Amino acid sequence: QVQLQESGPGLVKPSETLSLTCSVSGGSISSYYWSWIRQPPGKGLEWIGYIYYSGRTNYNPSLKSRVSISLDTSKNQFSLRLRSVTAADTAVYFCAREDSGIIAFDVWGQGTMVTVSS
Amino acid sequence: QSALTQPASVSGSPGQSITISCTGTNSDVGDYHYVSWYQQHPGKAPKLIIFEVSNRPSGVSDRFSGSKSGNTASLTISGLQAEDEADYFCCSYTTHITLGVVFGGGTRLTVL
Repeated sequence: QVQLQESGPGLVKPSETLSLTCSVSGGSISSYYWSWIRQPPGKGLEWIGYIYYSGRTNYNPSLKSRVSISLDTSKNQFSLRLRSVTAADTAVYFCAREDSGIIAFDVWGQGTMVTVSS
Repeated sequence: QSALTQPASVSGSPGQSITISCTGTNSDVGDYHYVSWYQQHPGKAPKLIIFEVSNRPSGVSDRFSGSKSGNTASLTISGLQAEDEADYFCCSYTTHITLGVVFGGGTRLTVL
């Protein structure tokens, strides 16, 4: 079955760019929407955005000015870049597959903790 | 996008039933049947347990059920078991400002 695995630095300095990659195994990245979702410590989930396999993207309006999601079909990976980070961006970041037919996240990565601190 | 409103906590004894509410607006829960629910145990990734308001993915216990009335969706867990103790999040498609999804703040279920 499809599995997702996040990777990237666990510590990012304020004002710098957070970069994470999600590797997709057990299936093709073609079809489906591929999303990033984050969860600050002790808080709820926040949808960051998605990329469709065609390359079309859509972002949470609250983060749109700082975020970009890209796709590398040759590596079966998709990536997140979040610019100008602050302590408020400290969170566990999950990548997830969204089944567009039901608009639900049916496969999740295990999550990776990213701390913004100098 | 404003988060959907869930109670911070609910509790119940083994064998009992509990219901968690999820209130949105007519730009999300009220106008679309794309409401999903997720179960999250501490330190784990969320797991999809309900999609399209009331459908269960394969392998999810039929003790979990979902419904919707107006702007409020609900998750009911019957025959509570110790393993049900977890955080539960609702999620809805939204057309508020942009087309996307919005999550609820989450509900901590304690099995007494």
